[in-house]
Amino acid sequence: AQSVAQPEDQVNVAEGNPLTVKCTYSVSGNPYLFWYVQYPNRGLQFLLKYITGDNLVKGSYGFEAEFNKSQTSFHLKKPSALVSDSALYFCAVRPYGGSQGNLIFGKGTKLSVKP
Amino acid sequence: DSGVTQTPKHLITATGQRVTLRCSPRSGDLSVYWYQQSLDQGLQFLIHYYNGEERAKGNILERFSAQQFPDLHSELNLSSLELGDSALYFCASSVGGSLYEQYFGPGTRLTVT
Repeated sequence: AQSVAQPEDQVNVAEGNPLTVKCTYSVSGNPYLFWYVQYPNRGLQFLLKYITGDNLVKGSYGFEAEFNKSQTSFHLKKPSALVSDSALYFCAVRPYGGSQGNLIFGKGTKLSVKP
Repeated sequence: DSGVTQTPKHLITATGQRVTLRCSPRSGDLSVYWYQQSLDQGLQFLIHYYNGEERAKGNILERFSAQQFPDLHSELNLSSLELGDSALYFCASSVGGSLYEQYFGPGTRLTVT
């Protein structure tokens, strides 16, 4: 079965420290990978995506993610966390050749950045 | 503000009833997606329309239906409501298919009592 796993329900980071939010996937074929962020009482906002090409993808608000095919991972990273980064982060995958629109989302990881 | 609007913001109704959720996509976007978010199921893709045509179905119950109109707005109809249908329902839009980033509306919170 095709799936996305975010192994950590919550990640706690001190402001100014680097952060990593983990994502692994299991799909047949080449995946298309996405990260979205959800602030309280808001809809999801697109952060970045990997379709093809360079394994390191840069996105909004200083976030980046690295596609690692051998480890089937797409971890989200930021060199220096801000308190305002505190939110719920979702990894999503669209399997190659999958029907359009059929994004599979992970359960989400709550990021808490303390001053 | 994503440019995607959803009405109503909140909806409280009784079991067995029928409700309609409405979504207006961003100007220029041809795709509309519907998602259900709940604590136990997480974020589940329901259905995708592109320029008025259904393109993909996800975990959408038979009691639920949707359509996209010529002006590209979309409606999600939920009938014979059950307590378990209580959730946050999101609409998202994109220029094309799912390789494009999706812009999410603020959601409609449905409470079934």
